[in-house]
Amino acid sequence: SQQGEEDPQALSIQEGENATMNCSYKTSINNLQWYRQNSGRGLVHLILIRSNEREKHSGRLRVTLDTSKKSSSLLITASRAADTASYFCATDVGNAGKSTFGDGTTLTVKP
Amino acid sequence: GAVVSQHPSWVICKSGTSVKIECRSLDFQATTMFWYRQFPKQSLMLMATSNEGSKATYEQGVEKDKFLINHASLTLSTLTVTSAHPEDSSFYICSASSGQANYGYTFGSGTRLTVV
Repeated sequence: SQQGEEDPQALSIQEGENATMNCSYKTSINNLQWYRQNSGRGLVHLILIRSNEREKHSGRLRVTLDTSKKSSSLLITASRAADTASYFCATDVGNAGKSTFGDGTTLTVKP
Repeated sequence: GAVVSQHPSWVICKSGTSVKIECRSLDFQATTMFWYRQFPKQSLMLMATSNEGSKATYEQGVEKDKFLINHASLTLSTLTVTSAHPEDSSFYICSASSGQANYGYTFGSGTRLTVV
């Protein structure tokens, strides 16, 4: 099964509101990453947070990591219609260098 | 920044034919690339890890004779779907590590394969 599970599966908000997506995982990780995918396109890397970090910011994005709960959250503040996409968390474990993806959250931001 | 180019972006082929998908790292050397498959409205499933100069490592349940992977150079990995069938229709995405500490993996733009 997938290492990561995300909730909600789908989120619909108005432009200007904040969007929060959560990701839970099962085993210890080296780092956790968040990606965005527009429909039918490849993935765009948003943020990487390491296992010894608790919070990271990048522009309107804020990512938290709670290794005790094996969970992470992605907050998008002041959302825009262009933020409409699917968002995936991915975890790196061990030394294989491969990422395991969560099920994704589909975000719709209404103008 | 690191760029991965994937080609073609979409392909339609007849059942029984083979299709080759290329993944190139344009401005960095990638000793390891990864191939994923994504069905509509689903997550990415890792198919195999492509290692430069050696055999690919396939995930459980992925047929290595059907999905041939070649990683002949530090900038190019190819995935060939052999004897394609309609159930192979999917979105295939490659990724590579640029080696930069805070950049995770760089993904190609994906290939939409439709087998008719």
